[in-house]
Amino acid sequence: EPEVTQTPSHQVTQMGQEVILRCVPISNHLYFYWYRQILGQKVEFLVSFYNNEISEKSEIFDDQFSVERPDGSNFTLKIRSTKLEDSAMYFCASGQGLQTQYFGPGTRLLVL
Amino acid sequence: DQQVKQNSPSLSVQEGRISILNCDYTNSMFDYFLWYKKYPAEGPTFLISISSIKDKNEDGRFTVFLNKSAKHLSLHIVPSQPGDSAVYFCAARDTSYGKLTFGQGTILTVHP
Repeated sequence: EPEVTQTPSHQVTQMGQEVILRCVPISNHLYFYWYRQILGQKVEFLVSFYNNEISEKSEIFDDQFSVERPDGSNFTLKIRSTKLEDSAMYFCASGQGLQTQYFGPGTRLLVL
Repeated sequence: DQQVKQNSPSLSVQEGRISILNCDYTNSMFDYFLWYKKYPAEGPTFLISISSIKDKNEDGRFTVFLNKSAKHLSLHIVPSQPGDSAVYFCAARDTSYGKLTFGQGTILTVHP
């Protein structure tokens, strides 16, 4: 069964460094998302992406964040200058339509 | 952001009995609701969904009920099995670009 994959599974970085989190959505899906979950908190929406552009973003998704679909298969989330509070589990999700979203296993990001 | 609330942090059930997980929402623009199951260190796994035009959807042991007037939905699992032990998240979609708003989750423990 097709699934969303994410790399790396864990990432440790120093505050101020750039990180790129990678996702390979399910191949025939058209809608792509990033969510995050800070330890002990809810899963929060970051951004949705359709037709090669951002369709919606949350207040969390400020200028430090960007997304890209560089080659038609990968979907990346870049954090330009990480902060301590960016430490979280980051989930990529994809959907064929606007209904069901399928989530990847997540990347655990730790900012020191 | 308390638009989706799961008021019970945990639920303990005996194997073979029914598990009922509850979720309340406040945003009347939500038009699609989903339940996800999550194990530690994994991404949310889609279980079942319901459109706001329906009041019930069934898939095997899982049934979701939607009461629009009360802005309440519930997930019934019958019979419960020890493998159902996980965190269950309720999520709701508004009518924009597929963004999901999640509840806090309920930890379900099914005892053999």
